[in-house]
Amino acid sequence: AQKVTQAQTEISVVEKEDVTLDCVYETRDTTYYLFWYKQPPSGELVFLIRRNSFDEQNEISGRYSWNFQKSTSSFNFTITASQVVDSAVYFCALSPRRSASKIIFGSGTRLSIRP
Amino acid sequence: SAVISQKPSRDICQRGTSLTIQCQVDSQVTMMFWYRQQPGQSLTLIATANQGSEATYESGFVIDKFPISRPNLTFSTLTVSNMSPEDSSIYLCSVEEHTDTQYFGPGTRLTVL
Repeated sequence: AQKVTQAQTEISVVEKEDVTLDCVYETRDTTYYLFWYKQPPSGELVFLIRRNSFDEQNEISGRYSWNFQKSTSSFNFTITASQVVDSAVYFCALSPRRSASKIIFGSGTRLSIRP
Repeated sequence: SAVISQKPSRDICQRGTSLTIQCQVDSQVTMMFWYRQQPGQSLTLIATANQGSEATYESGFVIDKFPISRPNLTFSTLTVSNMSPEDSSIYLCSVEEHTDTQYFGPGTRLTVL
């Protein structure tokens, strides 16, 4: 079975705080992709990152960083020095490589950054 | 990545009517998809829009309710038929590019009264 769990339904932090969004996944496939998407209040879904299951290197992009750990089936997302513009719903997603078109989305984490 | 547009961006419709949503991409893509996002929920795949053939529907979605057209590699439509308030959702189209990543359109926010 394929499943993505985002246990944090809502998070609220004060601007400039660091925040980590958790993502735990389940899959029997050995090859798969993991994604993070951002959905601001406007409703569009913005692609943030794709990670191949063979690449466990952490990635940093500006204030964003991602920690992929196969041993714990987790793909966590950290925002450093959060800003009000980071307020959005964030979705973690899984796609088995054998059927890359099938994306399984987590339930999302609503992040609110207070000024 | 491809630039994706959707029309309309939002609409308010009466129960029993139908709405057709358009998705336009600025480049030719092989794979196009339609998703539904009910209020406060995650995304659910409705169907894969196949160019030149019938769409492939996911479990729980049927062609009579959600007919889809894909006349070419840059355009697709989704119709929500015989609408009820339960159809109030954001409908998003997406395309898959060669990097096995799906990029999404801006969405159509539908309210059914």
